[in-house]
Amino acid sequence: SQQGEEDPQALSIQEGENATMNCSYKTSINNLQWYRQNSGRGLVHLILIRSNEREKHSGRLRVTLDTSKKSSSLLITASRAADTASYFCATDAGGDYKLSFGAGTTVTVRA
Amino acid sequence: DAGVIQSPRHEVTEMGQEVTLRCKPISGHNSLFWYRQTMMRGLELLIYFNNNVPIDDSGMPEDRFSAKMPNASFSTLKIQPSEPRDSAVYFCASKDSWRTEAFFGQGTRLTVV
Repeated sequence: SQQGEEDPQALSIQEGENATMNCSYKTSINNLQWYRQNSGRGLVHLILIRSNEREKHSGRLRVTLDTSKKSSSLLITASRAADTASYFCATDAGGDYKLSFGAGTTVTVRA
Repeated sequence: DAGVIQSPRHEVTEMGQEVTLRCKPISGHNSLFWYRQTMMRGLELLIYFNNNVPIDDSGMPEDRFSAKMPNASFSTLKIQPSEPRDSAVYFCASKDSWRTEAFFGQGTRLTVV
């Protein structure tokens, strides 16, 4: 079964707007990662946040983590058409080397 | 580095045939994962290896699926016999135990007719 669940399943926004998506997970984690998948391609790592961190930034990306609620959010600011992709959260519970992925959020940025 | 290399990129086969998917991980990475992606089930972890040893194959759907990693630079996922419900995109990913992010290949799109 999947560890993470993203919300919403799909998101359509205008270029320049912000996109926010959420991820909930079930068990304790060492870290949570976000990946992007462009159509027909493999997943690409975007950003990682450790369990003892609450917020992290990378360029136009902002990730938050609330371990008490077992949830994370990914914010993409000033979206561009090139941000059109599916975004997945993945949890690393550690010790067993596994990365478990959620179902993903499909983001469409309209020009 | 060329990244994780998978072959073939596309495979169309008839039901009942044997299918072998191949993966070359990034040099130096000691963990390797096989995932399957479908619209219905999303991204499923099938099996992962650490230092060429299978650690957990609980995600392998059934005995028709098998995976091997004979050395640090090569892994195969075999389906025998294949069925139409095996149609999916199969991804291989690798990572270094000193880092936490995984690097994915471009995937193999398998169609079983």
